[in-house]
Amino acid sequence: KAGVTQTPRYLIKTRGQQVTLSCSPISGHRSVSWYQQTPGQGLQFLFEYFSETQRNKGNFPGRFSGRQFSNSRSEMNVSTLELGDSALYLCASSWGDRETGEAFFGQGTRLTVV
Amino acid sequence: AQSVTQLDSQVPVFEEAPVELRCNYSSSVSVYLFWYVQYPNQGLQLLLKYLSGSTLVKGINGFEAEFNKSQTSFHLRKPSVHISDTAEYFCAVSAPNSGGSNYKLTFGKGTLLTVNP
Repeated sequence: KAGVTQTPRYLIKTRGQQVTLSCSPISGHRSVSWYQQTPGQGLQFLFEYFSETQRNKGNFPGRFSGRQFSNSRSEMNVSTLELGDSALYLCASSWGDRETGEAFFGQGTRLTVV
Repeated sequence: AQSVTQLDSQVPVFEEAPVELRCNYSSSVSVYLFWYVQYPNQGLQLLLKYLSGSTLVKGINGFEAEFNKSQTSFHLRKPSVHISDTAEYFCAVSAPNSGGSNYKLTFGKGTLLTVNP
C-alpha cells in the first residue's frame, strides 16, 4: 500500500515568489493536514481538508492557502514568500471519519526562500 | 483545548543504556495518545499509540510507553538503545475539536535523542 507522497522534496524560491506543494494521501484516506516545521517553532498546524472542504485551520496568515481535489489529493500554496517561510512542510493523511486522529505523514517538502 | 509538554528538549545517552522520554498532556476530555519518530530530513513515523485497553503499549523498534491517567503522562521507554535510535521524538494527543465533529492532533515540541557510542 503506497504511503503519503509529497512533491517536490526540495524547493528553492526567491522572496516575493509564490509556491505550490502537492500531497497525495494514502488510498482511501479523505483527510489531509498540513504542518510547517521549523527549528524555532517546532511543528505548527496549518490546516486540514476533508472531502474537499477546509475543516480546521491553524494560526497562519492568508498567504498560506490550500485546497483538496475530489480524489483527496491536496495542494498548499504560499504567496509572496518571505525568508521566514523557509521550513519543512509536512503533509499527513487520515481516514477522517474513523476518528482516533492517527495520521500518516509524508517525507515532507523542504522549502528554502532566498 | 489540549496541550502537550515534552519535558526534555534533548536527551543524550550512551549506546545500550536505557532511556525514558517524558510526555505530559492536559485535556478536559478523553484523549488518544501517540509517539512519533522523525529521522533527519524525513517525515514523522508512528512509533506507538494508546487508544484504549492496556495502559502499557508496545511499539516498533523495541519502544514502549505507559499511559498514566492520574498523572496525565505518556512516557516513552526503551531498555537498551542503539545508535540508530538517534532521532527526534514527538508526543501527540488527539481529542475532539471544539465543535466535536472531528479529532485534532496536537504535538509536543519534540525531544532530540542522541545515542553516543
